[in-house]
Amino acid sequence: QSVLTQPPSVSAAPGQKVTISCSGSSSNIGNNYVSWFQQLPGTAPKLLIYDNYKRPSGIPDRFSGSKSGTSATLGITGLQTGDEADYYCGVWDSSLSAGVFGGGTKLTVL
Amino acid sequence: EVQLVESGGGLVQPGGSLRLSCAASGYTFRNYWMSWVRQAPGKGLEWVANIKEDGSEKYYVDSVKGRFTISRDNAKNSLYLQMNSLRAEDTAVYYCARDHDHASDHWGQGTLVTVSS
Repeated sequence: QSVLTQPPSVSAAPGQKVTISCSGSSSNIGNNYVSWFQQLPGTAPKLLIYDNYKRPSGIPDRFSGSKSGTSATLGITGLQTGDEADYYCGVWDSSLSAGVFGGGTKLTVL
Repeated sequence: EVQLVESGGGLVQPGGSLRLSCAASGYTFRNYWMSWVRQAPGKGLEWVANIKEDGSEKYYVDSVKGRFTISRDNAKNSLYLQMNSLRAEDTAVYYCARDHDHASDHWGQGTLVTVSS
């Protein structure tokens, strides 16, 4: 059971928009910075969003992040078949003194 | 270009030990925290441990405390994970990652550790 809760799967059609939620608590999301990762099949995770909403260089603005209270959201617009992947939220947990990840969300682009 | 290359994975019996290494290049290694993250077959990501730039602070997930030790050699641009008393549930791909701005911004390709008799 992950400390952070994500939906197991989401799906949408090409060109559409999808959001992925990540729910936590005051000891993690509520008081620390959230990051989001994309993991394509058979590859290492890739950073998409850091500090709740910032994008590393090279990440298209189709990807966005937000945070409110103890929840965070990843948004992806203009969906492409190449976006099919597993997405994970991650954050530091101050009570555990450890990093934590959500269970992951599998995105299917229909 | 930042590069992280893990090595040292393999098959080990339950109760055995293994030492993973991560060779870093393309940036000033001594200026960054580093982390180990693992992924069991078909499962999600699990944060394992991290270490401060100078090695003075280290943190671990509860399930590996007392069994795993993270360390680094800034002169060799290398990160290590000493894993003792290995269990079947430690079977996973182990990734090393560079930490920056509260996130792991670069990851290695991973090394597979299999604990089985």
